[in-house]
Amino acid sequence: DAGVTQSPTHLIKTRGQQVTLRCSPKSGHDTVSWYQQALGQGPQFIFQYYEEEERQRGNFPDRFSGHQFPNYSSELNVNALLLGDSALYLCASSLAGKTYSPLHFGNGTRLTVT
Amino acid sequence: AQSVAQPEDQVNVAEGNPLTVKCTYSVSGNPYLFWYVQYPNRGLQFLLKYITGDNLVKGSYGFEAEFNKSQTSFHLKKPSALVSDSALYFCAVRDLFSSASKIIFGSGTRLSIRP
Repeated sequence: DAGVTQSPTHLIKTRGQQVTLRCSPKSGHDTVSWYQQALGQGPQFIFQYYEEEERQRGNFPDRFSGHQFPNYSSELNVNALLLGDSALYLCASSLAGKTYSPLHFGNGTRLTVT
Repeated sequence: AQSVAQPEDQVNVAEGNPLTVKCTYSVSGNPYLFWYVQYPNRGLQFLLKYITGDNLVKGSYGFEAEFNKSQTSFHLKKPSALVSDSALYFCAVRDLFSSASKIIFGSGTRLSIRP
């Protein structure tokens, strides 16, 4: 049973560049959430995708955008990178309708912006 | 607004001793609470959850948590700590006002178990 997989594991970008992170949900899951975890902090909700649409968005600027594909996989795009975007980006999957089931997390993508 | 607070940045315990990692919550309505653990360079792993029912919830790796409504707390506990329990622990609450299955996390507590 494949868990949540994220790629790449590490990424180094320069300020102003754009980045795309990828996530495949756990088998059987149809909902993908993205979180940003800055060093020494708890994960912060970026947005969630279900049925290929953004279902809810956290307090992040429009530079952060996403997409969900028909196979439920998802991408997170960040434009015009800032130094403050350096963080661990976590993808979590779940099954819609299972409101109180825990989220299943991938190991994350460590993004460093120089 | 739903929120959780973890008052301790770090907890140090000797191996074999009991451990407690503290969490308090602030919610409107019934709280749905979770504990997750994060090992270095890894994602978060689910430990246990409280939805309703028994105030003592048992989870993975011998951990348990005690829900206390009067004190609005949900402390994580283990009777006998192992060195391998050393990790970052997050308390979390389901955002009941979210149309999505949004989870709100605390700031985390680093647990260090010394041999």
